Amino acid sequence: QSALAQPPSASGSPGQSVTISCTGTNSDIGASDYVSWYQLHPGKAPKLVIYEVNKRPSGVPDRFSGSKSGNTASLTVSGLQAEDEAVYYCNSFAAQWVILGGGTKLTVL
Amino acid sequence: QVQVVESGGGVVQPGRSLRLSCAASGFRFNSHGFHWVRQAPGKGLEWMALIWYDGSIKKYADSVKGRFTISRDDSRSTLYLQMNSLRVEDTAVYYCGRDIGFGSCDLWGQGTLVTVSS
Repeated sequence: QSALAQPPSASGSPGQSVTISCTGTNSDIGASDYVSWYQLHPGKAPKLVIYEVNKRPSGVPDRFSGSKSGNTASLTVSGLQAEDEAVYYCNSFAAQWVILGGGTKLTVL
Repeated sequence: QVQVVESGGGVVQPGRSLRLSCAASGFRFNSHGFHWVRQAPGKGLEWMALIWYDGSIKKYADSVKGRFTISRDDSRSTLYLQMNSLRVEDTAVYYCGRDIGFGSCDLWGQGTLVTVSS
């Protein structure tokens, strides 16, 4: 059960777009349409921002979008805002198994 | 109010046991699977365990397999995590999450802190 690979950090200025990658293998991301992304602010509960690769839960701004190609999933945050600064985790569900990524710290400059 | 609330954390010595609870309210508990994840100090999220909506399937991370047991009591709308043979490295904030399908959790509690220390 190796963690999905995410870059440790990403950054962008307000209004810009940032894309965070999440790389797995043929056994997890490559084999699954069930990739989720969570936003985690310090001291707060995780928040689901994307599920099933590219679906947004109710209440999540359309500035958040997801995609997948092969063994890599991506989260794009457009029109960056200060409140988007957080740690983002990807999550893959395949063969009744859950694998999380190591997390990416998104900094809004 | 739709929510889940974790409890049961505390300070425990290595080798001892602890049971965490996750009380759900405001929704049909037996329609959902649930997960436990944890975050150790200064570290990332780590998935621990899942239980299917009907309890028929339970899965565990290798790091806790054989030591932790996930269970549910639908009559109490409560999820549990029985943690045995605790180690210092189990120190973390533990969160429970409501699964809306295929490993995606849309509802999380605020977490409960477990500290394993002698």
